[in-house]
Amino acid sequence: GAVVSQHPSRVICKSGTSVKIECRSLDFQATTMFWYRQFPKQSLMLMATSNEGSKATYEQGVEKDKFLINHASLTLSTLTVTSAHPEDSSFYICSAPLAGEFETQYFGPGTRLLVL
Amino acid sequence: GDSVTQMEGPVTLSEEAFLTINCTYTATGYPSLFWYVQYPGEGLQLLLKATKADDKGSNKGFEATYRKETTSFHLEKGSVQVSDSAVYFCALSDRDNAGKSTFGDGTTLTVKP
Repeated sequence: GAVVSQHPSRVICKSGTSVKIECRSLDFQATTMFWYRQFPKQSLMLMATSNEGSKATYEQGVEKDKFLINHASLTLSTLTVTSAHPEDSSFYICSAPLAGEFETQYFGPGTRLLVL
Repeated sequence: GDSVTQMEGPVTLSEEAFLTINCTYTATGYPSLFWYVQYPGEGLQLLLKATKADDKGSNKGFEATYRKETTSFHLEKGSVQVSDSAVYFCALSDRDNAGKSTFGDGTTLTVKP
């Protein structure tokens, strides 16, 4: 089946630093990837849609300058949390559909970010 | 917009008990419906899906039927095991909305031996 990986799985950083999270589709190409964040004991909230070769589309209320997304290739999207603060601490999850099969999302294992 | 409403948890059952987790949805288009499972500290795993009305998704003893008339997709399992303890998310993906997924709030299931 389709596999999506994320790196790192866990990161701790100091307030004010930037953190980059990678999302890779390992055995398929993904022109679109989705980024979600999940607070403890809560559901997933869509942050943005990452589009290969074009700008990301952000959901309402998500700061695009805060959460930089780059979809550099058909297998890699990166999310950079700039000038991270403790309130950015969360579980970040990416997903990607197979080309032509938008119904089913394949999720990465998630990245847990803790900002001190 | 699209939305998914799940039965509130947590749900605690004894091993071999019958499980039902209710899920209803609203969508402007013709969504596909999903159940995902999340184990502690991990990402989401697809449990089952249904892409059109009256389809039944099934996997690992879990079942759910896409009911358009009641806009529901309830998850059932006849006999739960301790290993089924996890958080279950109902979700929809709308082809008319660029494939974005909308999730319910999740239901935590704990199965006791």
